[in-house]
Amino acid sequence: SYELTQPLSVSVALGQTARITCGGNNIGSKNVHWYQQKSGQAPVLVIYRDSNRPSGIPERFSGSNSGNTATLTISRAQAGDEADYYCQVWDSSTGVFGGGTKLTVL
Amino acid sequence: QVQLQESGPGLVKPSGTLSLTCAVSGGSISSSNWWSWVRQPPGKGLEWIGEIYHSGSTNSNPSLKSRVTISVDKSKNQFSLKLSSVTAADTAVYYCARENVTYGPEGGFDYWGQGTLVTVSS
Repeated sequence: SYELTQPLSVSVALGQTARITCGGNNIGSKNVHWYQQKSGQAPVLVIYRDSNRPSGIPERFSGSNSGNTATLTISRAQAGDEADYYCQVWDSSTGVFGGGTKLTVL
Repeated sequence: QVQLQESGPGLVKPSGTLSLTCAVSGGSISSSNWWSWVRQPPGKGLEWIGEIYHSGSTNSNPSLKSRVTISVDKSKNQFSLKLSSVTAADTAVYYCARENVTYGPEGGFDYWGQGTLVTVSS
């Protein structure tokens, strides 16, 4: 089965840039989606199909995908960006989530 | 604005069957989207359970496939999940979600229910 690997935690200083990676075998050939989940809330889609932002998601959120790594980039990090972030792909009609990354804004 | 709302028992006995329903409002379940179930054990990550199309076609996580049944009721604009032979490991918040395939297959989940906690305990 296909596996996605994310770092358990990432820290970023207020106003700086955070990068959260998602590793998978030839993930560059797949569409990667990213979700933000704040404590006690349902996940929210922040990036779809590698690099597209849904309506209402700030331009500070961006994504890229190449080779074996997809990356979610959060520019000018704010306190409100503290959350768990999950990457997700489809593999043989099966949804697969990464283990999640806890983002801390210092 | 599409809204999803999960409902069902919050407590299920071991070896029993977990049954949940997701009511869709603000949009038709017969639209060109797939409808999924995702769960999250307390303090852990997200796990995709399975999905259904309005035609009745389904896909399920291979790790759960033998225990999962997903069905759709177009007349009520809702879809349902049944998970059989449950154990404490099935205790989780269960979410229903819409997979947006507007731009092609294998889309992201753009609408989610608020989630419902199901505890497996005697």
